[in-house]
Amino acid sequence: EAQVTQNPRYLITVTGKKLTVTCSQNMNHEYMSWYRQDPGLGLRQIYYSMNVEVTDKGDVPEGYKVSRKEKRNFPLILESPSPNQTSLYFCASQGRDTEAFFGQGTRLTVV
Amino acid sequence: GENVEQHPSTLSVQEGDSAVIKCTYSDSASNYFPWYKQELGKGPQLIIDIRSNVGEKKDQRIAVTLNKTAKHFSLHITETQPEDSAVYFCAASTRVTGGGNKLTFGTGTQLKVEL
Repeated sequence: EAQVTQNPRYLITVTGKKLTVTCSQNMNHEYMSWYRQDPGLGLRQIYYSMNVEVTDKGDVPEGYKVSRKEKRNFPLILESPSPNQTSLYFCASQGRDTEAFFGQGTRLTVV
Repeated sequence: GENVEQHPSTLSVQEGDSAVIKCTYSDSASNYFPWYKQELGKGPQLIIDIRSNVGEKKDQRIAVTLNKTAKHFSLHITETQPEDSAVYFCAASTRVTGGGNKLTFGTGTQLKVEL
């Protein structure tokens, strides 16, 4: 079954404490992205990756890092989280000229 | 970059009625237009898509129309049912340097189908 798996689903953390949200896909897709979803703003792209070791900034990259050491994994790293990064995060995976598949989401709260 | 506007932000219809959601885009190079449905607590899922060489596409109760000249596309749901209640997102896709397609999303429409 085609799947994008994110972990954790829910996370509450304190300002400044580094965290990583993992994302894994089983479809051998080259293209992966991270989005954040905020009320009234829709889904905004944070970072994307076109292949292993190839990443680039999306529309709202400030405060985030990513890495792509393996094709299936694309973790999102918040080195020093702040309250304005409280949001719902989605990882997505996409083949060339195919639809994007989304994970179940990670609801992050930074206090 | 691409900018996608979506209207309305909320839509309430009676069961059995039709629902229409409209989107406009700014980049004439966009060539793929998917629609996603997001149910509570889940990630968005593709329900229908259309490519730039097609004007209309239908899948049972769902249809999408595209007007490339005017740069707008619409989602039509007929005979709405309570299970159609969800948030719907439109998106426009453009090629990025090095391959791959960047999706730019609209701000979403909360559809509520009332009994």
